[in-house]
Amino acid sequence: AQSVTQLGSHVSVSEGALVLLRCNYSSSVPPYLFWYVQYPNQGLQLLLKYTTGATLVKGINGFEAEFKKSETSFHLTKPSAHMSDAAEYFCAVSEEPEKLVFGQGTRLTINP
Amino acid sequence: GAVVSQHPSRVICKSGTSVKIECRSLDFQATTMFWYRQFPKKSLMLMATSNEGSKATYEQGVEKDKFLINHASLTLSTLTVTSAHPEDSSFYICSARDRGTDLNYGYTFGSGTRLTVV
Repeated sequence: AQSVTQLGSHVSVSEGALVLLRCNYSSSVPPYLFWYVQYPNQGLQLLLKYTTGATLVKGINGFEAEFKKSETSFHLTKPSAHMSDAAEYFCAVSEEPEKLVFGQGTRLTINP
Repeated sequence: GAVVSQHPSRVICKSGTSVKIECRSLDFQATTMFWYRQFPKKSLMLMATSNEGSKATYEQGVEKDKFLINHASLTLSTLTVTSAHPEDSSFYICSARDRGTDLNYGYTFGSGTRLTVV
């Protein structure tokens, strides 16, 4: 069965610093991987996704993630944090058609 | 891009009453929609998968008779919480899969519904 583990329920960085949110997955077949962002009392917005092809995926708002099969990881990064990046971030994996499994989420706080 | 409209965004109801939440795909056809429940400071829990024109598939532990799902058209799915109790208070989010993105797993999420049962 597929599963997702996000290391760190809360990450705090200074404005302008590197953002690194960690995600490891478990899947018996090549997975499709996703990062979503959620602002308070809102739904989820897709940041980026990996399906096939290039392992470095660029998304919206300056985020990117790299699929590393050998490490079963899909960490999310952004070179320079902005105050507007403060939100909850969810990593998700899809193995079966049409079913997303989410990690427990990481709350990102940006310090001025 | 694909947009999913979820309504209402907030609802307060009395214990014992029923509440209907709508999820509409505005600019695409969604053969499949998903309903999630999110507890405070927790992740999303898939409740059920809604397929147009057929019965929904519920996840283990989700009461079918309590959470009624109807997907009568390619653009609308509804979740009805029947005989609501305070423990049903939660944030409910729907998601729709764009029919035209089978190979890329295009999921679009609604903005969520905050249900409070008093």
